[in-house]
Amino acid sequence: DVQLQESGPGLVKPSQSLSLTCTVTGYSITSDYAWNWIRQFPGNKLEWMGYISYSGSTSYNPSLKSRISITRDTSKNQFFLQLNSVTTEDTATYYCARYRYGSSYFDYWGQGTTLTVSS
Amino acid sequence: DIKMTQSPSSMYASLGERVTITCKASQDIKSYLSWYQQKPWKSPKTLIYYATSLADGVPSRFSGSGSGQDYSLTISSLESDDTATYYCLQHGESPLTFGAGTKLELK
Repeated sequence: DVQLQESGPGLVKPSQSLSLTCTVTGYSITSDYAWNWIRQFPGNKLEWMGYISYSGSTSYNPSLKSRISITRDTSKNQFFLQLNSVTTEDTATYYCARYRYGSSYFDYWGQGTTLTVSS
Repeated sequence: DIKMTQSPSSMYASLGERVTITCKASQDIKSYLSWYQQKPWKSPKTLIYYATSLADGVPSRFSGSGSGQDYSLTISSLESDDTATYYCLQHGESPLTFGAGTKLELK
């Protein structure tokens, strides 16, 4: 069964960078699909952040383009989110999710990791 | 960015009632629309993809319809397990954008 599991520091100070990891089990991230980061703000608004495809190409939400980077470690079947220069507005629950091409939907989600930006 | 206007933002319904939630896109998204159910403290779960296709394991009381800019999610007969927040998501154009959500509660 495919499973995605986010992990991260929980708390980051303003102006620092956040780094989150999504560990995928049950499927190779180099086989197919797009591997995404999505966040949910307090108040429940959802925002798509970007993805890294099975081939390694990336696509980002332009609202984040100057601050975001999504990379991967294929040997560990993990992909990563780095967001630079965080502010309190980046406080959110961060989800990783698999996007199915063709049918066009997110078929597997992680359980989410909460990140708080505070001094 | 494509704006997704979802309505209502919240609603109450009775067990067995037919419930409809709508999403309107700011431009034609060519049926690249999916619906998700989220319960408190859980990640979203896919219900419908490509506007009308039922995701694996989703009860048949859920259905989707629509085309162009206008889409809807219908629950034919509300069950207690359906209390949740529902979101639409458009994939027609990047960046992908979500509706603001509909919180569905039992009357």
